[in-house]
This record gives sequence, structure tokens and C-alpha cells, in this order.
Amino acid sequence: EPEVTQTPSHQVTQMGQEVILRCVPISNHLYFYWYRQILGQKVEFLVSFYNNEISEKSEIFDDQFSVERPDGSNFTLKIRSTKLEDSAMYFCASSEERAGANVLTFGAGSRLTVL
Amino acid sequence: RKEVEQDPGPFNVPEGATVAFNCTYSNSASQSFFWYRQDCRKEPKLLMSVYSSGNEDGRFTAQLNRASQYISLLIRDSKLSDSATYLCVPPSNTGKLIFGQGTTLQVKP
Repeated sequence: EPEVTQTPSHQVTQMGQEVILRCVPISNHLYFYWYRQILGQKVEFLVSFYNNEISEKSEIFDDQFSVERPDGSNFTLKIRSTKLEDSAMYFCASSEERAGANVLTFGAGSRLTVL
Repeated sequence: RKEVEQDPGPFNVPEGATVAFNCTYSNSASQSFFWYRQDCRKEPKLLMSVYSSGNEDGRFTAQLNRASQYISLLIRDSKLSDSATYLCVPPSNTGKLIFGQGTTLQVKP
């Protein structure tokens, strides 16, 4: 079964450092997403990406965050200057088409710990 | 009013029991919903889709009651592996899924 792959599985960083989380979506999927989940809280939408541009972003996705699809397979989330409150599990997801956008396939997540 | 509301639980049931969760929603125009399942510290996974006609998949049955604006998920013959958080997710045309806190199920031996 095709899957979304995320790396690293866990990253520990110092406050103020830049972090890049990487995702390889399912190969024929066209829509890509980042969500995050702070420990004990609900999963929250960050950003959606289609056709090499951001489709929609949440209030959480401020200027410290950026996304990129640098090549045909990777989809990255960059946090420029991490804060303690950025500690969370970050999930990448992808979907095949907009009409079926509800059926998202999520990756296993990247746990970010900011010290 | 929240788009969807669920009883957070936890629902503690013995193995083999039948358990049902409800999810109420506010958008009366909604014609489909999705149940996702999330294990502790893991990613959400689609469990099943729910349309007006309902959906059954093995031990799992989902119903959409548009008149009363709620969605139900019934699990028969609960297994230990069914222990998870079950998330009722309303439809979206953009992929921006709105997750609530979900309902936590603990199946005990």
C-alpha cells in the first residue's frame, strides 16, 4: 500500500534554530498538506499546497513557517526560528485529487522537540 | 457553535462488547462525513466514509442521520486493538480537515 514518508521521525533542537521537516508524498498525489498536533491536543491544519503554491494556510502558519516542493518528490516544512511552543508532532499528508480531498493519507509524523 | 461535537469519553468497554459513538454537526447541508482513527502518538487514519445510505465494513457500521444532524459509529465485538481515538470529520473541498478532540475508546481484556 502506498504511503507518505516523513523524516526525521524525531528531531530535538534549540530554541531559535531552523528546522526542516521532510515528506515524500504518494507519487501520483497532487495535493499536499502539513498538520501538527501538540501533545494532548487535537490535530490542527497548517497549510495546503497544490501546483507549486500554497492553497490555504491557517493562522498558525505565520512568517516563521514556509513550505517548498524542491523537486518532484519531496515536500518540506521549514521553521525558521523555532520557539518552545513549536514542539509538536508534525504530520504531512497528501491526496490524489481535490474532489476526494477528504481522503487524506497521513505520514507517521515527525516529532519536534524544542529546548 | 462548533462544526462537530463528540463526547471525549473515555469509553471503557470489555472485549467483545458493542459500543457506539455519536457525533453531532452544525452544518445542515453536509451530506457526508468521515471517521478517522488515531492511535496514541500516531497519525490519523481513515476508518470509513459515511454517506446518507450509511456504511458497513466488517464490525464497523456508520450512519448519517441528516434529520437529527448526527453521525454514529458502531463497533461490534470490540477487540483490544480497537483502542484508539475516533475522530468525526466533516467534509471539505480543500483538504483542510477540521479535527476535534475525538472520542477515546479503551477496550479492556
